[in-house]
Amino acid sequence: LAKTTQPISMDSYEGQEVNITCSHNNIATNDYITWYQQFPSQGPRFIIQGYKTKVTNEVASLFIPADRKSSTLSLPRVSLSDTAVYYCLVGDAGYSTLTFGKGTMLLVSP
Amino acid sequence: GAGVSQTPSNKVTEKGKYVELRCDPISGHTALYWYRQSLGQGPEFLIYFQGTGAADDSGLPNDRFFAVRPEGSVSTLKIQRTERGDSAVYLCASSLTGSFYNEQFFGPGTRLTVL
Repeated sequence: LAKTTQPISMDSYEGQEVNITCSHNNIATNDYITWYQQFPSQGPRFIIQGYKTKVTNEVASLFIPADRKSSTLSLPRVSLSDTAVYYCLVGDAGYSTLTFGKGTMLLVSP
Repeated sequence: GAGVSQTPSNKVTEKGKYVELRCDPISGHTALYWYRQSLGQGPEFLIYFQGTGAADDSGLPNDRFFAVRPEGSVSTLKIQRTERGDSAVYLCASSLTGSFYNEQFFGPGTRLTVL
């Protein structure tokens, strides 16, 4: 299982774009990259998943370079309600469970 | 539709007591997971059910922890002889099938405090 590394914390202001980068140097060929978001006193919530290049949904974009050794979660125009912990996870279909690290605590200020 | 629900939301018990935590997954989800989360840490895997059977219980810390899912829907996590170190938020999640590709839907958790 590929180990992931991401910043412990990040600060931003409302309206800014936030990019959180995750390193996964040992990612395997069949591994996908998934991001979850967790608000205080709630369980994690799936945000986005991708294999390569770029994936976009109504919440975020996920950029994955050709070597796939890192990925970047991009949150456009953040608001105060985007303050949460963001987790980067890597795994393939053979893995049923999620292995969480400490995540990145994003604090959005007015 | 309804999401994953967990009861109770909070549980305070004394050291040495027995507790049961309940999880109601999303209807139709065959996979069910239990995680434990301590303050400042990410969730830690405990056990995974596929249908009625425990497909992976490698995360259970010791034999005081046990979980069941007798009819393939509701699951109960049971902790015997609780210790102060068991205090944490216990999270349940379910997914359509047991694959990393499938989104896991988490419940709000049960906060267990062992005095």
